Amino acid sequence: GAGVSQSPRYKVAKRGQDVALRCDPISGHVSLFWYQQALGQGPEFLTYFQNEAQLDKSGLPSDRFFAERPEGSVSTLKIQRTQQEDSAVYLCASSPAAYGSGETQYFGPGTRLLVL
Amino acid sequence: TQLLEQSPQFLSIQEGENLTVYCNSSSVFSSLQWYRQEPGEGPVLLVTVVTGGEVKKLKRLTFQFGDARKDSSLHITAAQPGDTGLYLCAGRYTGGFKTIFGAGTRLFVKA
Repeated sequence: GAGVSQSPRYKVAKRGQDVALRCDPISGHVSLFWYQQALGQGPEFLTYFQNEAQLDKSGLPSDRFFAERPEGSVSTLKIQRTQQEDSAVYLCASSPAAYGSGETQYFGPGTRLLVL
Repeated sequence: TQLLEQSPQFLSIQEGENLTVYCNSSSVFSSLQWYRQEPGEGPVLLVTVVTGGEVKKLKRLTFQFGDARKDSSLHITAAQPGDTGLYLCAGRYTGGFKTIFGAGTRLFVKA
């Protein structure tokens, strides 16, 4: 009965470093979403996976951001050459079905990234 | 850029008071959801509304979807300190994968 888990919970990086953020969705969930939540704002969509297929990556802010879900379960969001504006909470959500209009997304607790 | 405007941004009230928060957009959504988020946690879904004019109740919370499916409201009756949190509305478009979130209304209920 575990929910969505994310690791690490906190990450401090020096500007220019690469980081990798992990998401473990609920077992068997087909859909997986990544969001970026800046301080005082709502989450902003980054990318969507249906199983291992990345069907929408239109929200990734730049080509420094890369996400993968090679076996259709665990996903990794990688940020290369981090910059201060990348500082945010990165949220992962999973959903049992393929994308529709009303299914529930279950969110993880997020990874708080601080770039110095 | 947030396509969903939420108001007020911040609300501090006494226990027992009623309140309404609003979520407005110029876009038509296929569905709209309300979430509550507490510090250090991800958002938790409260309700999904799909039909224009739809009203849903969840204990002391009443959610309404506008007739044109562009706006929504959340009304809380007799607020309690446990209602404290960030309330987010989120809209989805037919045929797209994105969920668009508003910036949220931060509610603080004083005992």
